[in-house]
Formats: sequence, structure tokens, C-alpha cells
Amino acid sequence: DTAVSQTPKYLVTQMGNDKSIKCEQNLGHDTMYWYKQDSKKFLKIMFSYNNKELIINETVPNRFSPKSPDKAHLNLHINSLELGDSAVYFCASSQVSGLRELFFGEGSRLTVL
Amino acid sequence: QQQVKQSPQSLIVQKGGISIINCAYENTAFDYFPWYQQFPGKGPALLIAIRPDVSEKKEGRFTISFNKSAKQFSLHIMDSQPGDSATYFCAASMRDYGGATNKLIFGTGTLLAVQP
Repeated sequence: DTAVSQTPKYLVTQMGNDKSIKCEQNLGHDTMYWYKQDSKKFLKIMFSYNNKELIINETVPNRFSPKSPDKAHLNLHINSLELGDSAVYFCASSQVSGLRELFFGEGSRLTVL
Repeated sequence: QQQVKQSPQSLIVQKGGISIINCAYENTAFDYFPWYQQFPGKGPALLIAIRPDVSEKKEGRFTISFNKSAKQFSLHIMDSQPGDSATYFCAASMRDYGGATNKLIFGTGTLLAVQP
């Protein structure tokens, strides 16, 4: 029973297209995140939501639009894809009180051609 | 100030040896320092974490050493095994945003290869 699940696992698309990645967590956590891992494996936070409310938007281009329909789901929509958007996108969740552990999904590898 | 510097970038260790990865930070407001382990094709997973009120934490073969005055912390993997081969990330966080999120700032990662 996967705790944080992302779909799709792989996306290959052309420049200029729009794509979405979906994330769901069944841990009952109140906070969810999107992280981007580039080709050098550097992990950088993009967004954080708490109970459907946007808490962090880390200077991400507005072509990236997260949406949280409820606290168990956080989706990422990307418009007008660029070559530099190629990366692995990780969804994560945590409970803000108590332990601060982030639970990550397996990632969605986006390749823009 | 928000950076966490990690070294080395890569590390090769013989089976049974000790792997040591180092991290340094600037922001004294950081109050939580975890290490994450990532296998190829998987997401990072928490390995061990420490808070700045202790100087060392040990869990099995994994130990974090923490030097608050030097603003440095390190991961030691004793009796390294081929199954430990992975990318290791140090990270840091602090209570911010009214406590509504656990934003982690990650180091640049260390690719560890343990040779049999």
C-alpha cells in the first residue's frame, strides 16, 4: 500500500506542450510538497501546501501551477514546457507537528524534447 | 544563508570500511538536521536525524555527529555494505511559516559506492 503515489512515472513531451503530474498520500498528513531534482541530483523545493493552502512558492515560474483539491492530493500542472523543465519531480508529505519526516513518492521523470 | 554544503560529491569505500560524509550550514536558526538515502529510481527516504541539543545520534551502523559551534554535521556509516550504495543527502530545516510546513533545504548529495 503505497504511502505517497505519483502518476505518471515517466513523461516525454515536446517543448511548448502542457502536462500534469498527480500526487496522492494516504498517510493522513496535512502538508504536501513538490520538489524538483535536476540532472545533478540537486533537490530543491518548489511548493508546499498545508490543508489545501499554499504556504511556499519558491520563486517558481508561473508556468507551474500546483493545485490541492484536498489535503490528500497535490497536483502539478506545467504550461508551455521548456527544455530546462526536464527533471525528476518528487511529491512528498509530512505532518507538521511532532516528527518532521518528509515521505517522498518515487518521482515523475519529465523529459522535454 | 539558506545553503547546506555537502562533501564529498562521490565516495568509494571497500566493504567493511567506514563511510564519512560531511555537511556545513550557515543559518543558526536551523534546528533539525536529517540525512536522506536515495536509491536509483526511488524517492529519498529518511535515514537518521538529529537536533542541535545533542552531539551524536546512533542508529545501528549509522551515526550522526553534530558540532554546533562549527555549524557542521556528518554521517558515519560503519561496516559499509554493498547494499548501502546510494546517494546520501544531508538537509536542514527550521520552524518557519508559522509552523505550517517542514521545508527541507538539501545538500548537493554524495554518491556512495561500496565495493565488495
